[in-house]
Amino acid sequence: DAMVIQNPRYQVTQFGKPVTLSCSQTLNHNVMYWYQQKSSQAPKLLFHYYDKDFNNEADTPDNFQSRRPNTSFCFLDIRSPGLGDAAMYLCATSRYWIGWNYEQYFGPGTRLTVT
Amino acid sequence: AQSVTQLDSHVSVSEGTPVLLRCNYSSSYSPSLFWYVQHPNKGLQLLLKYTSAATLVKGINGFEAEFKKSETSFHLTKPSAHMSDAAEYFCVVPGYNNDMRFGAGTRLTVKP
Repeated sequence: DAMVIQNPRYQVTQFGKPVTLSCSQTLNHNVMYWYQQKSSQAPKLLFHYYDKDFNNEADTPDNFQSRRPNTSFCFLDIRSPGLGDAAMYLCATSRYWIGWNYEQYFGPGTRLTVT
Repeated sequence: AQSVTQLDSHVSVSEGTPVLLRCNYSSSYSPSLFWYVQHPNKGLQLLLKYTSAATLVKGINGFEAEFKKSETSFHLTKPSAHMSDAAEYFCVVPGYNNDMRFGAGTRLTVKP
C-alpha cells in the first residue's frame, strides 16, 4: 500500500548527541512536513517542503534542521538534543497545498527519548 | 486568522451511546476543515474533511460532521460509540502558509 514510513519507530539518544530521523513516502506527494508532538498536546509544525522549497516555522529552534534529497525522502536532524526535545516526531505529506483542500497523510511517528 | 477551538478537552461516553465532539472555527473566508483521529502512540488518520461541496460530511468508522456557517461550527458525531473509538481527536483548519492549525484535541473515553 502507498504510505508514509518513518524510521526508526523508537529512537534513544544522549543529551547533545546528534540524531537523524527518517521519513519516506510512496505517494509521490509534493509536500512533506515535520511535526513535533509532546505528550497530551497537538502536533506543532516545525517545517515543510514544497518540492525543494523549504519553509521554516518562525519559532522552530535552530537546533532542528531538515533535508529533502528527493521527492520520496525527508530527514529531520537534531544537532544537539536536549531533554526538552523528547517527543513524538510525525512526518506528513500532502499532494499540493493543503489550502486547496488536500488533506495530509501522516506516518506512524518516531518516539524520541533523550537520556 | 484561521483557527479552531475544541470546546472539550475530554469526553466520556458509554459504549453504544452517541458521541459529540465540538469544534468551532474562526476564518475570514469559508474554510476547508478536517477531523483527524490519533490512537495511542500512532500517527494521525483522517476521519473526514469539509470542502464546501456538502455541509454534512460522512467519514470513516461511522463518523460524520456538519458544517454550520451561522454557528461557525464543525462538530463531529457518531450515533453509537464503540470501544475502539477511544482516542484523541483533532479538529484542523489550513492556515495561510500551507500549515495546518490544530485544535488542542479532545480525548474520547468509551466506557464498557
